[in-house]
Amino acid sequence: GAVVSQHPSRVICKSGTSVKIECRSLDFQATTMFWYRQFPKKSLMLMATSNEGSKATYEQGVEKDKFLINHASLTLSTLTVTSAHPEDSSFYICSATRLAGERETQYFGPGTRLLVL
Amino acid sequence: DAKTTQPPSMDCAEGRAANLPCNHSTISGNEYVYWYRQIHSQGPQYIIHGLKNNETNEMASLIITEDRKSSTLILPHATLRDTAVYYCIVRVAGGGSNYKLTFGKGTLLTVNP
Repeated sequence: GAVVSQHPSRVICKSGTSVKIECRSLDFQATTMFWYRQFPKKSLMLMATSNEGSKATYEQGVEKDKFLINHASLTLSTLTVTSAHPEDSSFYICSATRLAGERETQYFGPGTRLLVL
Repeated sequence: DAKTTQPPSMDCAEGRAANLPCNHSTISGNEYVYWYRQIHSQGPQYIIHGLKNNETNEMASLIITEDRKSSTLILPHATLRDTAVYYCIVRVAGGGSNYKLTFGKGTLLTVNP
């Protein structure tokens, strides 16, 4: 299957600092990428849709000024958690959509575990 | 997107077939059935998807009923590494935000030795 990577895999930071997470599609181009967040023992919650060359679309309740998304190329999207606080500690997962004719499939990265102290 | 109903948990013996059911009685004609799984502390892994015909790949088989109101994911020979939460998701295929997946609670499949 297609490969999506994330970097870093885990990060610990102090409250008030910003953290950037990268999501790359390694063997295909993705015009659309998604960012999810998952709290312990909960299901994945979509945060935003990242479109190459345009502004991201955020889900209701997700602060766009706090979670900055940049989709600079067809293989890279970044999520920056600005002024992180302990409540932002979570498992952040990206996904990328691969098109194959009329069939499209979404592939997920391995996730980034963020701990804000 | 149509909602899905899955049992919260299931057990399966190693080496036996695991049959995971999913109800999607409000599915629309243009909605696909997708299956993903998530092993603990990892990102979700794509398994299979289909529209109305049964599908098979190297990981699993997907059986969709004729009325498309339910489906079954079959892992033919379950191994301990198949222990995971399995998500059944239905949604339209299309551009932009139509690509997004809405995850429910899924089924925790535990494969026992």
